[in-house]
Amino acid sequence: EVQLVESGGGLVQPGGSLRLSCEASGFTFSSHAVSWVRQAPGKGLDWVSAISDSGVNTYYADSVKGRFIISRDNSKNTLFLQMNSLRAEDTAVYYCAKVREGIIDPYDYWGQGTLVTVSS
Amino acid sequence: QSALTQPASVSGSPGQSITISCTGTSSDVGRYDYVSWYQQHPGKAPKLMIHNVSNRPSGVSNRFSGSKSGNTASLTISGLQAEDEADYYCGSFTSSYTLVFGGGTKLTVL
Repeated sequence: EVQLVESGGGLVQPGGSLRLSCEASGFTFSSHAVSWVRQAPGKGLDWVSAISDSGVNTYYADSVKGRFIISRDNSKNTLFLQMNSLRAEDTAVYYCAKVREGIIDPYDYWGQGTLVTVSS
Repeated sequence: QSALTQPASVSGSPGQSITISCTGTSSDVGRYDYVSWYQQHPGKAPKLMIHNVSNRPSGVSNRFSGSKSGNTASLTISGLQAEDEADYYCGSFTSSYTLVFGGGTKLTVL
């Protein structure tokens, strides 16, 4: 059974940093691209970032480019999102998602999400 | 990258069919056959319903179908059931090597 379990969310002040993790199981992690997608409270889905199966290629939404860094550790089946210079508008549930095939989408499995709140 | 355009809401009675549109540009929907549709129930993670414009993943009911014409993709749900009531999002790969989602459509089953 495919499982994606996010962790690391919480309350952080504007300008602060947070590192999210997503532990994967039930599939060959190193063979699939993975992504982060967020959803602000009561709002729609917002694509954040993606990383290729090897970790060599990374992709970012303009809204987070230069502030967030996506990475992965294939030896530990884990995806990361380092979030720096956080802003109030980064407040959202952050989902990790497994790419079914290809680079960035479609996403056939999603985690349950972890809530990030940016507030003073 | 601007969000894809979806109607805010649609509704239908049980047994009827509804269609949700998703309009993009020649840099995303119109350029690639990489359009997906996701269903999201309140408090739950999204679920993939259609990928690559018209392909259904294993386990998804054949009442769900997808299509595309020009810069507009569509999701059709036939034989509406109460359990179909949810938010639906389209997503498309873009020429900037990013993904763009639609604003979401709330489906109400009357």
